[in-house]
Amino acid sequence: EPEVTQTPSHQVTQMGQEVILRCVPISNHLYFYWYRQILGQKVEFLVSFYNNEISEKSEIFDDQFSVERPDGSNFTLKIRSTKLEDSAMYFCASSPDRQETQYFGPGTRLLVL
Amino acid sequence: AQSVTQPDIHITVSEGASLELRCNYSYGATPYLFWYVQSPGQGLQLLLKYFSGDTLVQGIKGFEAEFKRSQSSFNLRKPSVHWSDAAEYFCAVVPGGFQKLVFGTGTRLLVSP
Repeated sequence: EPEVTQTPSHQVTQMGQEVILRCVPISNHLYFYWYRQILGQKVEFLVSFYNNEISEKSEIFDDQFSVERPDGSNFTLKIRSTKLEDSAMYFCASSPDRQETQYFGPGTRLLVL
Repeated sequence: AQSVTQPDIHITVSEGASLELRCNYSYGATPYLFWYVQSPGQGLQLLLKYFSGDTLVQGIKGFEAEFKRSQSSFNLRKPSVHWSDAAEYFCAVVPGGFQKLVFGTGTRLLVSP
């Protein structure tokens, strides 16, 4: 069964450093998403991406965040200058169409020191 | 304010007993409704979803959920809980016109012998 994959599974970085989180969505899906879950809190939407552009974003997704689909398979989330409060589990998801079921990857746990 | 509410933070159920996890939403139009499960250190797995039609939906692992429009609820049930069901359960909605999933705060299920 096809699944969403994410790399790395864990990443530790210093405050102020740039990080890139990678995701490979399910191959025939058209919509891609990033969510985050700060430890002990609920899962929060960051951004959705369709047709090579952002289609929806939350207030969390400020100028330090960016997303791109650099090739036909990868979908990345870049955090330009990490802060302590960026420490969280980041989930990638994909769906075949708008408002269809979103399938989640296993997540990348990011720790900012 | 528009939100998804899971009133129970923790629930403990004896193995073999029945389970009901509560979820209420406050959106004007009926959103798309989902239940996801997250085992420790794992990603989010879809249990079931409701888009339209029959208000009682069946999911994986023996779970079912009932949509009640009059109560704005989408409660998750299982007739007989297994120890492997211990996990965190998230109710989520896609509000009308949006793509993002809005999650509840989750209910942690503990299963006692």
